[in-house]
Amino acid sequence: KNQVEQSPQSLIILEGKNCTLQCNYTVSPFSNLRWYKQDTGRGPVSLTIMTFSENTKSNGRYTATLDADTKQSSLHITASQLSDSASYICRAGSYQLTFGKGTKLSVIP
Amino acid sequence: KAGVTQTPRYLIKTRGQQVTLSCSPISGHRSVSWYQQTPGQGLQFLFEYFSETQRNKGNFPGRFSGRQFSNSRSEMNVSTLELGDSALYLCASSLGPLSGNTIYFGEGSWLTVV
Repeated sequence: KNQVEQSPQSLIILEGKNCTLQCNYTVSPFSNLRWYKQDTGRGPVSLTIMTFSENTKSNGRYTATLDADTKQSSLHITASQLSDSASYICRAGSYQLTFGKGTKLSVIP
Repeated sequence: KAGVTQTPRYLIKTRGQQVTLSCSPISGHRSVSWYQQTPGQGLQFLFEYFSETQRNKGNFPGRFSGRQFSNSRSEMNVSTLELGDSALYLCASSLGPLSGNTIYFGEGSWLTVV
């Protein structure tokens, strides 16, 4: 059964600090992994996409890593801002998409 | 360029009723996919349509169905509603099939079943 596990479930950090979110996946077939940001009451927005041959992808203050051997990915957020408060969802797969339940990040002043 | 538009945004239905949700993709996008999001299960893939054909289907009962029209607009139908169907239903569109293409989500339709 395809599974995507994310940790932690929720996280509170001070504005300006860095944080790292984790995603472990057991998905077959696997062709790519995406991270999404979902603000409350809005649809998810894609942050990064990586194929199995890529191990790092950056998008501004967001850096995603992928280890296809261990089937793990992480999303690192640097110099967090209040606007980073959101749920971050990991998605892995190919034509069948499997999503994690997300990490709820709260950035406080 | 207009984004993905979903209607209605909010609706309340009674158990046993049916509901139809509508999705207008971004202009030029031919793939539409549907998702159910609940606090307990997170985002779950329902199905994908490309050029009016269902390409993939997630693990949901047959009460969940959809279709796509020639203008790429899509509808999703849920029959014989159950309390557990209460969720945010998201539609997403992409230029091509899901795999490898960036998908753009709409704001969702909030369905409450009472």
